Amino acid sequence: GAVVSQHPSWVICKSGTSVKIECRSLDFQATTMFWYRQFPKQSLMLMATSNEGSKATYEQGVEKDKFLINHASLTLSTLTVTSAHPEDSSFYICSASGTGGIWTEAFFGQGTRLTVV
Amino acid sequence: KQEVTQIPAALSVPEGENLVLNCSFTDSAIYNLQWFRQDPGKGLTSLLLIQSSQREQTSGRLNASLDKSSGRSTLYIAASQPGDSATYLCAVRIQGAQKLVFGQGTRLTINP
Repeated sequence: GAVVSQHPSWVICKSGTSVKIECRSLDFQATTMFWYRQFPKQSLMLMATSNEGSKATYEQGVEKDKFLINHASLTLSTLTVTSAHPEDSSFYICSASGTGGIWTEAFFGQGTRLTVV
Repeated sequence: KQEVTQIPAALSVPEGENLVLNCSFTDSAIYNLQWFRQDPGKGLTSLLLIQSSQREQTSGRLNASLDKSSGRSTLYIAASQPGDSATYLCAVRIQGAQKLVFGQGTRLTINP
């Protein structure tokens, strides 16, 4: 299957700093990428839908100014957690589908474990 | 609003048994349904994708079925192995949107 690479796999940062997470589709072009957050022993919560060349669409309750999403190319989307606080500590996962869009499989990155101290 | 439910939440069986995981969804207006596996601290691995027009898909020891009219899908695992231990998630791609709606997952443990 297609490969989605997410980096870093884990990061520890100080409270008040910003952290950037990258999501790359390695062998296909992804018009749309998705960012999820997962709390321990819970399912995935969609944060936003990222469309190449346009603004991201955020889910209700997700702070746009805290979670900045950029999708500058067909193979790269980034999530920046700004002014991070301990409550932002979580597991963040991105996903992308191939050129068939809604008809194709969604592939996921390895996830990023963010710990804010 | 689409809701996806997975039963049971956890399942523990001896190695070698065949087993079935269940997934139900409330709105039949879906493009497709996908089953994933997630190992602890890892991302999701796609197992099977069933389009709304299909009834089942098979990959190795895995078989997934879809009954869109009743809002149900099952994932059948044959001859289970300890390496199958993981959390299994189902997700539907709802019509009118691109996003996936996930169930809460079934945590599967295969005992040697």
